[in-house]
Amino acid sequence: NAGVMQNPRHLVRRRGQEARLRCSPMKGHSHVYWYRQLPEEGLKFMVYLQKENIIDESGMPKERFSAEFPKEGPSILRIQQVVRGDSAAYFCASSRLGDEAFFGQGTRLTVV
Amino acid sequence: AQTVTQSQPEMSVQEAETVTLSCTYDTSESDYYLFWYKQPPSRQMILVIRQEAYKQQNATENRFSVNFQKAAKSFSLKISDSQLGDAAMYFCAYRSYRAGSYQLTFGKGTKLSVIP
Repeated sequence: NAGVMQNPRHLVRRRGQEARLRCSPMKGHSHVYWYRQLPEEGLKFMVYLQKENIIDESGMPKERFSAEFPKEGPSILRIQQVVRGDSAAYFCASSRLGDEAFFGQGTRLTVV
Repeated sequence: AQTVTQSQPEMSVQEAETVTLSCTYDTSESDYYLFWYKQPPSRQMILVIRQEAYKQQNATENRFSVNFQKAAKSFSLKISDSQLGDAAMYFCAYRSYRAGSYQLTFGKGTKLSVIP
């Protein structure tokens, strides 16, 4: 049983470009969480999704950020028109309903 | 909203010795979970130990144990017989018991160094 898979591991974007981060949850997991980790900081919750539904997006910036978890395929975190302040490590975690969450290895986004 | 505070940005311990990492939290809920995660340089978040708030008994996992004081809202991690591989960032985290609120709230972390 493969763990939570995130790709790419490293992503470099120029200011103004779009960044797409992918997360494939563990088999049997229908709940996905995205977190952002700024340098020297803990992880901050961004969004909680179930298949085809956003359960809680209270941690998402109001503009430029969106997330989806379609019926088929990975969850996608999309950042439009990236700025330097978006540079961070983005982690995805997955779980069964109410169970322990397992984390992926993260995507390090660098905006140049 | 819940908050988690780790007041020790950095700690160090001699190999084979014992170290305790502190964590306090604030919540108005009575049922919740608490976790300690380890993040080595690889960035992988590894669950070290979990505690259910309704359980009075402190959780233990091999060399790792917690001191859970619910009234004081304190949740410290004790690492016994420290090993070089224990060197990492350690994050304390809170999770609600309420349906639809399963996201984790993390502290800022404690960087643990192990001295040979």
